[in-house]
Order: sequence, then structure tokens, then C-alpha cells
Amino acid sequence: NAGVTQTPKFRILKIGQSMTLQCTQDMNHNYMYWYRQDPGMGLKLIYYSVGAGITDKGEVPNGYNVSRSTTEDFPLRLELAAPSQTSVYFCASRYQTGVQETQYFGPGTRLLVL
Amino acid sequence: AQSVTQLDSQVPVFEEAPVELRCNYSSSVSVYLFWYVQYPNQGLQLLLKYLSGSTLVESINGFEAEFNKSQTSFHLRKPSVHISDTAEYFCAVSGVNTPLVFGKGTRLSVIA
Repeated sequence: NAGVTQTPKFRILKIGQSMTLQCTQDMNHNYMYWYRQDPGMGLKLIYYSVGAGITDKGEVPNGYNVSRSTTEDFPLRLELAAPSQTSVYFCASRYQTGVQETQYFGPGTRLLVL
Repeated sequence: AQSVTQLDSQVPVFEEAPVELRCNYSSSVSVYLFWYVQYPNQGLQLLLKYLSGSTLVESINGFEAEFNKSQTSFHLRKPSVHISDTAEYFCAVSGVNTPLVFGKGTRLSVIA
């Protein structure tokens, strides 16, 4: 099991450019999440998905889009990059059944928007 | 809605001293509680979790946390810290089928 993988690890964008952050999990988890982490602010939920074809907004969705065409993949799209989107982005997947609950995080993508 | 408050943003402590990182939560439904650790320039790793049963939960590296429903707390403790425990610690809460909600984190600095 590779767990949760994210690409790229680092990226520098110019204002107005677009990019897609890739996230893949090989654990057949239904739940997947995108968070952003800013210094002193903890992790804030951008979007999440409870299964293929189903997505929903989190706390800070503006400026982002997601899709979930397969159980394994949950890409995050930035259409018009802004300096406020400079952050570290974490993807996660979750296994939950009854009282068994485990969430796994990817290694993160560091994004700088100039 | 659920929320988490980590009362200390930074906690310096000498090596081999005890430490407590405080976490309070707010939720109108039954909760699952978690502590995650993030070492410098790395992702988040699960340290321990409370789902049900015994209110005292332990990790493999000597940390423990106690779920206190009446005080809505889930404080993290370790009786003797090591330099290698220097990291940022995040408390998180979720419910059944709801996403994790994180606190802002506590930066633990262990001083030799």
C-alpha cells in the first residue's frame, strides 16, 4: 500500500495561472478530503467527498474546484491563482465503519503564488 | 457545528520534564477525538484517538490523552519529554460521517 500520494511536492505559480494538485489513495476509502495549512491557523477544510461522483464544500472552498470520478483520485483545481492561495495543501482519505475510524494524510504540496 | 480550541499556541519545556497540551472541543453530537503530530516539513501523523470505550488512550511513544465529557476536554500528556518530541500537535474532532475539524495547533519545543 502506498497510502495517500500527492503530486507535485512543490510548485511556484504566477498570479492568474491555473494548476491541478493530484491526490491518489490505494486503500479503497470512500471519504477523501482537501485541507490547506497556514501558519498558526491549523488545517482548514477546502472540499471533501464521500464517494465517487459526490463532492461538497468545506470551510474555505472559494477559488478551488474538485472532482471525484473514481474512488482512488481526488484532484484539486486552482483556476486563477492568487497570493492568498499560498499554503501547504494536504489530501487525506478516511476509513470509517462502526467505531473503527482512521484518517490518512498525504505528504503535502507546498504552493507559492507570486 | 463542531469546533476545537487549543489553549496554547506554543509550549516550551525542558527535556525529561512532563508536559500537557490542552484541547477543548464543542459539539452537539457524539464525538471522535484525535491528536495528530507534525514534525518539521512533514505531513500529519495520527498520535492517538478516542472513539469509544476507555476514556484514557495511549500512544506507542508514551503520550496519553483522557476524554473528559463533562469538561469537553481531550488534553494530551507525557510524563517525560525527549528532544525528538519537538513538533506541532493538532487536536481534532469529528462525528459519524463528518469531516475532521482541527484546532490551530500547539508548537511543542523541547529544550536540552
